Amino acid sequence: EDQVTQSPEALRLQEGESSSLNCSYTVSGLRGLFWYRQDPGKGPEFLFTLYSAGEEKEKERLKATLTKKESFLHITAPKPEDSATYLCAVQAGSTGNQFYFGTGTSLTVIP
Amino acid sequence: GAGVSQTPSNKVTEKGKYVELRCDPISGHTALYWYRQSLGQGPEFLIYFQGTGAADDSGLPNDRFFAVRPEGSVSTLKIQRTERGDSAVYLCASQQFGANVLTFGAGSRLTVL
Repeated sequence: EDQVTQSPEALRLQEGESSSLNCSYTVSGLRGLFWYRQDPGKGPEFLFTLYSAGEEKEKERLKATLTKKESFLHITAPKPEDSATYLCAVQAGSTGNQFYFGTGTSLTVIP
Repeated sequence: GAGVSQTPSNKVTEKGKYVELRCDPISGHTALYWYRQSLGQGPEFLIYFQGTGAADDSGLPNDRFFAVRPEGSVSTLKIQRTERGDSAVYLCASQQFGANVLTFGAGSRLTVL
């Protein structure tokens, strides 16, 4: 059965304290792994797409990496404005055109 | 438009009533998705349109849910005989042809009393 699991469910960091969020997946024929950011009361906002193991993407304090079984979203020296829920999604041959989302990690960065 | 627009932003209804939720996608985007997000959960796929036709409706939970996109642009999600379990945020996303990134609207929060 296709699955996307994110951990931890919630994470509290002090400003400047770097950490990583995990997204593990079991799907057939990965076509892409996506990271989205979601603020309260808003829809998810696209961050990154990763297609193959070993690929990395960076944007400001965020870096996403991909292996054959999981993806990490590394947050370096976070700021309070990085507080949000981070969602991971996969698109796979087994899911057709569907994007299958995990339950997200709620990140709080304390000043 | 500049982004995906969803109306209403909030809808409160009584159990058993009929509800319509509207999505106005980014101009020129050919694909449109509906997702449902319950509190503390990730978005759950409902239906996907390519143009005017529903290419995949496997996520619709039962026959009370129906969606249309008659002219290949605006879409309406229709829920008949609403139940308290239908309470959630309904998200719409559009996608440019040949791309794989989804652009989401802010969602319609449905509360069934």
